Amino acid sequence: AQSVAQPEDQVNVAEGNPLTVKCTYSVSGNPYLFWYVQYPNRGLQFLLKYITGDNLVKGSYGFEAEFNKSQTSFHLKKPSALVSDSALYFCAVRDGMDSSYKLIFGSGTRLLVRP
Amino acid sequence: EAGVVQSPRYKIIEKKQPVAFWCNPISGHNTLYWYLQNLGQGPELLIRYENEEAVDDSQLPKDRFSAERLKGVDSTLKIQPAELGDSAVYLCASSDDRGGTGELFFGEGSRLTVL
Repeated sequence: AQSVAQPEDQVNVAEGNPLTVKCTYSVSGNPYLFWYVQYPNRGLQFLLKYITGDNLVKGSYGFEAEFNKSQTSFHLKKPSALVSDSALYFCAVRDGMDSSYKLIFGSGTRLLVRP
Repeated sequence: EAGVVQSPRYKIIEKKQPVAFWCNPISGHNTLYWYLQNLGQGPELLIRYENEEAVDDSQLPKDRFSAERLKGVDSTLKIQPAELGDSAVYLCASSDDRGGTGELFFGEGSRLTVL
């Protein structure tokens, strides 16, 4: 069975500084990896995904993530944080070899960008 | 293009009362999901539909929860009777799920409070 871990409940960063939100995963087959963002009282919005190919994937709002197979990680990054990036971020994983395509979410990391 | 539409956005009921949530997915999306999200946590899958067929309902508490997706478009999730522990946000999502690589598109959720 697949699983995903987000080891940090909260990440604090100053505006203009780089940010990293960590995610590690476990699957039996090929990992399909996703990042979503959730603003207060809103649904989840898709940011980016890794299916295959280049390990560095770019997504919405200047975010990017790097797939690292040896470390089973898919950390979310942004070179320069904005106050408006403050939100709840979720990593999710599917096992590409599992025909159920079940998507498992992490527990979330709250990002707080201070002015 | 319209996104995933859910109603009601908020619902407050007494315990033991019934409640129903409605979801209209993105046009053309064959896969529809209902997720449960507790405060500050990641979404947990309740049920997944492929067209009108429920292909994964293993996490749905069938003693009180039911769902349907007639004609493979709109879906309704019902709880009867509601318990205090059912207070949460119920998220609907849809996808054009090509072999599990497609991202999910979420509605804004229905927040249930059971008193």
